[in-house]
Amino acid sequence: TQLLEQSPQFLSIQEGENLTVYCNSSSVFSSLQWYRQEPGEGPVLLVTVVTGGEVKKLKRLTFQFGDARKDSSLHITAAQPGDTGLYLCAGASGNTPLVFGKGTRLSVIA
Amino acid sequence: KAGVTQTPRYLIKTRGQQVTLSCSPISGHRSVSWYQQTPGQGLQFLFEYFSETQRNKGNFPGRFSGRQFSNSRSEMNVSTLELGDSALYLCASSLRPGTGEAEAFFGQGTRLTVV
Repeated sequence: TQLLEQSPQFLSIQEGENLTVYCNSSSVFSSLQWYRQEPGEGPVLLVTVVTGGEVKKLKRLTFQFGDARKDSSLHITAAQPGDTGLYLCAGASGNTPLVFGKGTRLSVIA
Repeated sequence: KAGVTQTPRYLIKTRGQQVTLSCSPISGHRSVSWYQQTPGQGLQFLFEYFSETQRNKGNFPGRFSGRQFSNSRSEMNVSTLELGDSALYLCASSLRPGTGEAEAFFGQGTRLTVV
């Protein structure tokens, strides 16, 4: 069974601080996706990383896929209250369904 | 284009009852997946349909079932509801099944409460 472990589980920071969220597995994935979910809503896809070592930037968010395609990180620079939400990573492998981590709940305090 | 539509948004049922949830995917998407989301377990895969065929099934009891119609709309049914079935049920649609390169779009979910 493929598992994705996310850390930390909860994170509460002040506006303007930087943070990193981690997504780790012992399994290799063909790609890894990051989602953000707000209360009462479904997850919204932020990015998909496909190549080992790949780095993608989305404004203040930087996503990295590990060289071995087993892990990924999400770094947020100068966090804002609008970044508050549940961040989920999900791994894909072949034609099997996405495997989700349990998420990191981020709270950015103004 | 319209997003993924799930109905109803909220539902309260009594133990022992059965429930049917509906999902209309994005126009042109033929793959629909269902997930159960709870605070303790996160998102857990229920099943995936593509062109009216169930392609994958998660590790849930037989009380959980689903189907997909020719217009790609999907329904899931839970019979003999238990308190532990209380959760947010999410539907995701995509162009192709299974592959991580096919972006999955989620609906807002149906919040089921079993009392």
